[in-house]
Parts: sequence; C-alpha cells; structure tokens
Amino acid sequence: GQQVMQIPQYQHVQEGEDFTTYCNSSTTLSNIQWYKQRPGGHPVFLIQLVKSGEVKKQKRLTFQFGEAKKNSSLHITATQTTDVGTYFCQGAQKLVFGQGTRLTINP
Amino acid sequence: DAGVIQSPRHEVTEMGQEVTLRCKPISGHNSLFWYRQTMMRGLELLIYFNNNVPIDDSGMPEDRFSAKMPNASFSTLKIQPSEPRDSAVYFCASSLGGASLSGANVLTFGAGSRLTVL
Repeated sequence: GQQVMQIPQYQHVQEGEDFTTYCNSSTTLSNIQWYKQRPGGHPVFLIQLVKSGEVKKQKRLTFQFGEAKKNSSLHITATQTTDVGTYFCQGAQKLVFGQGTRLTINP
Repeated sequence: DAGVIQSPRHEVTEMGQEVTLRCKPISGHNSLFWYRQTMMRGLELLIYFNNNVPIDDSGMPEDRFSAKMPNASFSTLKIQPSEPRDSAVYFCASSLGGASLSGANVLTFGAGSRLTVL
C-alpha cells in the first residue's frame, strides 16, 4: 500500500535558523496536505498542494510539490519559537500521514 | 462553528472495561475519520465514513474495536474489552466531500480523547 516517509524525524535548531522537512511517497500522489501539531494539541491543516511542481508560501513557510508528485517539502525561514511542533504530510490515497518531523527550537 | 467536538477529553480505565469515545463532526461535512496516535506508530487511520457509511475499516486493530455513525452529526468509537496497549490519543476528524475527492483530504481534527488503560 501507499507509504509516506518523512525526514528527518527530529530537528533541533537555534531560533532564527531555517528548517526543512521532506516527504516522500512510494506512489504518485494526486495531492498532498501539510499539518502542524503543537505539543499537546491536535493536527491543524496548513496547506494543500495539487499541481506538479507547485510552490506555495505562507509568510515564512514555503511548500513545494515535486514534479513527479511523489515528494514534497516544507521550508521555514528564520524559525521562531512559535514554530515549535510536529509537522506532518498527508498523502491523498488512503489518507496516510507521514511519521512527522518534530521541530524544537532553542531561543 | 465550534469545530469537531470530541468527548471525553481524558479517560482512565482498567483493563477489560468498555470504552466509548464520541465525536460530533462539523456541520455540513460528510466524511468522518477516526485516527489513533501513539509515539511508536504515529497517526494511524482506523476507519472513515462517507455519508454515514463506513468506507474503509482496514485500520481497525481487531474485533475489540467498533465504530458507528448513526447520523450525520454523531459517531462513536468503542473498545470492548480495553487493553493497556490501546492507550493512545484518539482523534476524530471531518471533511467535505468523499475520500476520493481532493477536497475531502483537508481534514479538521478534534482536540482528541486521551485514553489510558491500566
């Protein structure tokens, strides 16, 4: 079945540094969603990518969908303490979530 | 809108007891999902409903787990009998459209029910 792999599993950065998490699928995705889960909270939808090669930005967050629609990335520029949490990608088919990348930040 | 509402928020029970978790999806959403989250296994899809009909329950761990959606505004996830390995956070989520449509994949999660089985 479809698997969505996310790397890295953990990332610790100094505040102000950039952060990137990658999502790779074993099969072509019709679309991909990204979510953020704060510690003790629930996943919250961030963005959906549908088109091959699509790039979307939300303030300091940049989301990319690969040309082959089998991988995606989330990049945060100049992290802030409010960015702390776990970032998940979710493939369309079977609604499978990646394992998540847990981001911690040293203020 | 109040969002997806789950109850109870926390449940502590003893092994062998029946546990019932409840969910009220967002009004107008016609797909409902139950996920389980643990440190070891991450977010696992247990079952999802479309228009109150169970579409895929392949993620349900075993016969001890059952889920129902008697109407568009209510769903339950029941564990009977419960075991310590069922301890996890159980999330309910809802979305517009069927799971085969792109819009259906934008999920709104509830706050979760944290279950501890002793």
